[in-house]
Amino acid sequence: GAVVSQHPSWVICKSGTSVKIECRSLDFQATTMFWYRQFPKQSLMLMATSNEGSKATYEQGVEKDKFLINHASLTLSTLTVTSAHPEDSSFYICSAQAFFGQGTRLTVV
Amino acid sequence: QKEVEQNSGPLSVPEGAIASLNCTYSDRGSQSFFWYRQYSGKSPELIMFIYSNGDKEDGRFTAQLNKASQYVSLLIRDSQPSDSATYLCAGVKGAGRRALTFGSGTRLQVQP
Repeated sequence: GAVVSQHPSWVICKSGTSVKIECRSLDFQATTMFWYRQFPKQSLMLMATSNEGSKATYEQGVEKDKFLINHASLTLSTLTVTSAHPEDSSFYICSAQAFFGQGTRLTVV
Repeated sequence: QKEVEQNSGPLSVPEGAIASLNCTYSDRGSQSFFWYRQYSGKSPELIMFIYSNGDKEDGRFTAQLNKASQYVSLLIRDSQPSDSATYLCAGVKGAGRRALTFGSGTRLQVQP
């Protein structure tokens, strides 16, 4: 089946720094990818829709200047968490079509 | 009212039994529905999807969709302890470029 690869699987960073997460579709082209965030014992919350060649669409309450999304090719979308703070610590997951990447556990210390 | 609702559980069944997971949705515009399994600390894994009324079977799994009642279910036959996980139901309008709307998930525990 289709495979979506996400990297890194986990990252620890200092407060105030930025972290980039990559999401790749390995055997298909994805003009649209989605970024979710999941806090412990909660369901997935859609953060934004990443559109190849155009601006991302952000959900209400998600700061577009803090969570930068770039979808420069048909197989790659990136999410950059800028000026990370401890409250940004979460599990970030990307998807393309109905398939999810492995997720990235972000811990901000 | 949430767009997709699931009982949080936990649903506990003995090994070998049938586990029945249920989901209701409020948006009649939703056309396709997906069931995912998520183990703790891992990302969701697609089990199956359904878009036509009736049943769809894949191995030990059967998805059921009733659009008139706005109800989706997943049956797991011969449940195994390895099936213990959180099961997420998701719906989507149309296809392709739209994000899935997820329920909060049902935790299933299969007792050995």
